[in-house]
Amino acid sequence: NAGVMQNPRHLVRRRGQEARLRCSPMKGHSHVYWYRQLPEEGLKFMVYLQKENIIDESGMPKERFSAEFPKEGPSILRIQQVVRGDSAAYFCASSEGLGTEAFFGQGTRLTVV
Amino acid sequence: AQTVTQSQPEMSVQEAETVTLSCTYDTSESDYYLFWYKQPPSRQMILVIRQEAYKQQNATENRFSVNFQKAAKSFSLKISDSQLGDAAMYFCAYRTFYYGGSQGNLIFGKGTKLSVKP
Repeated sequence: NAGVMQNPRHLVRRRGQEARLRCSPMKGHSHVYWYRQLPEEGLKFMVYLQKENIIDESGMPKERFSAEFPKEGPSILRIQQVVRGDSAAYFCASSEGLGTEAFFGQGTRLTVV
Repeated sequence: AQTVTQSQPEMSVQEAETVTLSCTYDTSESDYYLFWYKQPPSRQMILVIRQEAYKQQNATENRFSVNFQKAAKSFSLKISDSQLGDAAMYFCAYRTFYYGGSQGNLIFGKGTKLSVKP
C-alpha cells in the first residue's frame, strides 16, 4: 500500500504564475488535509476536504488559494498569481476517517522567483 | 483557540545519552490527542508517539517516551540511548478529540532541532 503521494516534490514558479500541487491519499482514505510550512516554522493547517466537499477551510488565505478533492483523481491545491511569500513547503495528509490517524506525504517545496 | 509552544529551538545530545524535548499547550478542552512528529532532512513527517488525554499512563514506543502532565498542560518527549538517526526537527502537535464535528486538523508547535553528536 503506497503512502500519501505528493507531486511535484519541487516546484519553481515566477511571480504571477499559477502553482498546482497534487496529493494522492493512501488507498482507502477519503479525508485529506493540506498544511503549509514556512521556513523555521511548524506546519499550519490550511484546509480539510472529503471527497467532493470542503469541510473546513479556516486556515486558507481568502484570495488566490483554492483546493479540491474530486470524486476521481488526486486532491489539488491551487495557488493563483503566486507571490514570494507563497514560497514554502506544502504538505498533504490523509486519513481513513475523522478521528483516525493521519499520514503525511513528503511535501512539495514551492519556490517563487 | 488551542496553541502549542516549544520553547527550545535547538537541542543537542551525545550519542547514547538521553535528551528531553519540552512542549506546552493551551486548551479549554478536556479530551484531545497529543503527538510528537519527527521531520528529518527528507522533510517526511514521521509520527513518533501519540497520547490520548484521557489516558493517565504515559505513552512509550521503544526508546521514545512521554511525560504527560495534564494539569500543567505539559507534554515532553524523552529519547533514550540517542542515535545519529534521531537527528531531526521534532514537532509537538495537538488535535481535538473527535465528537462528530469538523475538527480533525493538527495544531503544531514551531519545532525543536535536535542534533546528535557522535
